[in-house]
Amino acid sequence: ELKVEQNPLFLSMQEGKNYTIYCNYSTTSDRLYWYRQDPGKSLESLFVLLSNGAVKQEGRLMASLDTKARLSTLHITAAVHDLSATYFCAGDKIIFGKGTRLHILP
Amino acid sequence: NAGVTQTPKFQVLKTGQSMTLQCAQDMNHEYMSWYRQDPGMGLRLIHYSVGAGITDQGEVPNGYNVSRSTTEDFPLRLLSAAPSQTSVYFCASSTGLAGADTQYFGPGTRLTVL
Repeated sequence: ELKVEQNPLFLSMQEGKNYTIYCNYSTTSDRLYWYRQDPGKSLESLFVLLSNGAVKQEGRLMASLDTKARLSTLHITAAVHDLSATYFCAGDKIIFGKGTRLHILP
Repeated sequence: NAGVTQTPKFQVLKTGQSMTLQCAQDMNHEYMSWYRQDPGMGLRLIHYSVGAGITDQGEVPNGYNVSRSTTEDFPLRLLSAAPSQTSVYFCASSTGLAGADTQYFGPGTRLTVL
């Protein structure tokens, strides 16, 4: 059974800094998803990563997938306050990690 | 397109009551799923369906039933509500598990069981 673990679970960072959120999964997963959730809102799809070495970028967010290490990363470049949200990764059958609550300080 | 819609937005039940959470999508998606979200637990998959007439259990199916008689609708039934079912419930749909499928989530139903 697939298990998905994210770390850190909470992250407070300064605007302008770079940081990475990690997503490890326990068994083979054909794809890896990243989602964003704002407080009290639904989930918004950010990235779908389909193969080893896949890298996708949207604005200040970049996601990558290493299937051999069973690891995906979400890298934030020069963080801005608008990126404050909870970020989830999910594997096959959309099994979710517990989320990373990101708070960016001005 | 309305996307994925859920009703009601809020619901309060008493222990032992039953109810149905409605979910509908107008994107002709084959894959639909139900999740519950609890603080600190992320989202947990309750049931999913890969097409009309086909459903399967997720991580936390106990206490819930689903059916999929049409492509558009995927209702979630609580048989006898318990306080442990207090949660926010999200329905989602996508074109399928294969390929670069984006999941679209509904706005959620906030359920409180007293």
